[in-house]
Amino acid sequence: DAMVIQNPRYQVTQFGKPVTLSCSQTLNHNVMYWYQQKSSQAPKLLFHYYDKDFNNEADTPDNFQSRRPNTSFCFLDIRSPGLGDAAMYLCATSSGTSDYEQYFGPGTRLTVT
Amino acid sequence: GQNIDQPTEMTATEGAIVQINCTYQTSGFNGLFWYQQHAGEAPTFLSYNVLDGLEEKGRFSSFLSRSKGYSYLLLKELQMKDSASYLCAVRDSPSGTYKYIFGTGTRLKVLA
Repeated sequence: DAMVIQNPRYQVTQFGKPVTLSCSQTLNHNVMYWYQQKSSQAPKLLFHYYDKDFNNEADTPDNFQSRRPNTSFCFLDIRSPGLGDAAMYLCATSSGTSDYEQYFGPGTRLTVT
Repeated sequence: GQNIDQPTEMTATEGAIVQINCTYQTSGFNGLFWYQQHAGEAPTFLSYNVLDGLEEKGRFSSFLSRSKGYSYLLLKELQMKDSASYLCAVRDSPSGTYKYIFGTGTRLKVLA
């Protein structure tokens, strides 16, 4: 089945230790998104790619970086995680053209110790 | 500014009908979406409106009024499994940025 896959589902990292979250998709969608969601809050858009064009949100901390080496894969790098970065990280895709719906992966829950 | 408002919590009884409202103010508009999110899980798509009026999908219906910046999600014949958060999101696409702005969600509790 075509889908959005995130690995790992649960990630524990230490304060200040770099961590990478990964997302892959088999939908061949042009657009990929990374959201941060904390408990009882709205998903907060960190950045998105339209193909290789990177779009960073103005309030996304510099601590967060992203890479999209090809259509299928997108990575979220947190260079020096702080306690406040503990959250669910959601990857989503959309075709960017005819299909308006976003398709979400299952999320990666990040714990910072 | 960009703003999407929804009630924080609602409670309803199994078998009943519930309406969850959403008002929005965004710089662009290219569709309004409703997602269901169970605790600890990713959002799943429920419905989409881009033109004014009602869209019906089984037990779920969604309504949009663009002039009023208003939408609602109607859930009929409520079941216990409908207990979840319901997120309203606007696709804000000025200059083709393909951004989706989410509300904080409405936590629905369905009681037996």
